[in-house]
Amino acid sequence: GESVGLHLPTLSVQEGDNSIINCAYSNSASDYFIWYKQESGKGPQFIIDIRSNMDKRQGQRVTVLLNKTVKHLSLQIAATQPGDSAVYFCAENRKGAQKLVFGQGTRLTINP
Amino acid sequence: DADVTQTPRNRITKTGKRIMLECSQTKGHDRMYWYRQDPGLGLRLIYYSFDVKDINKGEISDGYSVSRQAQAKFSLSLESAIPNQTALYFCATESTGQGINIQYFGAGTRLSVL
Repeated sequence: GESVGLHLPTLSVQEGDNSIINCAYSNSASDYFIWYKQESGKGPQFIIDIRSNMDKRQGQRVTVLLNKTVKHLSLQIAATQPGDSAVYFCAENRKGAQKLVFGQGTRLTINP
Repeated sequence: DADVTQTPRNRITKTGKRIMLECSQTKGHDRMYWYRQDPGLGLRLIYYSFDVKDINKGEISDGYSVSRQAQAKFSLSLESAIPNQTALYFCATESTGQGINIQYFGAGTRLSVL
């Protein structure tokens, strides 16, 4: 069936290193994708979005890349900090649909 | 104050009890959502509402009902709670416009059904 999924459920990186979180999707008819961050004890929080007609979008310390050929989405976090520790979700909005479909999430742990 | 407020934050109940989870928002959004999150899984949609007169089932609506009392309030009910409804529940509102809709989540309600 159609799904939005993640390659790895957990990722550990050293503080100061760059992190790359991946997401695969199977539905080609998508309007846009969104990355959310969920810290412990909190609800998901919007990080960045990317429209399906774009390949790259940059925010503050974050970059999202979209490869429509292989249906792959990634979130890159530069110079990771302890506050980046969280679960990261990708979400997809499919054309004509009126709701987001969320991936399973990747837990990012920052080692001191 | 939080823009999306969920009450209670934690609740323990027994099988067969009726439970109501409440959500209120000050963002002025018409669209509101209820999700369920289980360990190691993403968010699954239970119900959603695009305005006060609009209620729609999500992918896992069985065993749940909702009420949209006002633009700012959207409640989720478990008519007869069962143990496999133990989960973390999130309410969200959604901003629309400019082609990308962004959802804003409450802090969640952790529900345990014994």
